[in-house]
Amino acid sequence: AQSVTQLGSHVSVSEGALVLLRCNYSSSVPPYLFWYVQYPNQGLQLLLKYTTGATLVKGINGFEAEFKKSETSFHLTKPSAHMSDAAEYFCAVSDLTGTASKLTFGTGTRLQVTL
Amino acid sequence: DTAVSQTPKYLVTQMGNDKSIKCEQNLGHDTMYWYKQDSKKFLKIMFSYNNKELIINETVPNRFSPKSPDKAHLNLHINSLELGDSAVYFCASSRRGTGELFFGEGSRLTVL
Repeated sequence: AQSVTQLGSHVSVSEGALVLLRCNYSSSVPPYLFWYVQYPNQGLQLLLKYTTGATLVKGINGFEAEFKKSETSFHLTKPSAHMSDAAEYFCAVSDLTGTASKLTFGTGTRLQVTL
Repeated sequence: DTAVSQTPKYLVTQMGNDKSIKCEQNLGHDTMYWYKQDSKKFLKIMFSYNNKELIINETVPNRFSPKSPDKAHLNLHINSLELGDSAVYFCASSRRGTGELFFGEGSRLTVL
């Protein structure tokens, strides 16, 4: 079974400050890891994903995440927050076996960006 | 053009009623999903279809019945609605094995 833990249900940063959203996973098979973003009243949108290869993954809107197997972590960072980054962020894990991508999501972290 | 579209966007109904949500994707994907997001924003998969075949069926009451008439459509019918069914239901689609799901905007169901 796979699971995801997101530390901090709510993170507040100042505009221009570093964004760090934490994600730890549990998986009995090599994991595939994802970050999705959800803006108010919208569906989820993929920010970035790690499957194999380079452990530092770059995504859209200046976000990146690093897969650290020894720490079972996949934290999301952005050097400088922008007001438009305010949203709910979900980390997810999947084994991508079979024909369907069964993603197990974390409980989400709401990012607030203040002036 | 909207990639994954769901209708209706909002449903308000009484306990005991039956309701349906429709989903269509124009991305050419062969796999579609239904996810439920509760009031605490927790997302849980309900069903997945690949080329009209049911391949994921999580522990969901049998009051929920998905139907996929073709690989571009996945509908969700709910019988005998209960208060606990109130949630946002998201349809999504993906290409096989990529993990990249494309989500619709959600259908907010409120059961009174």
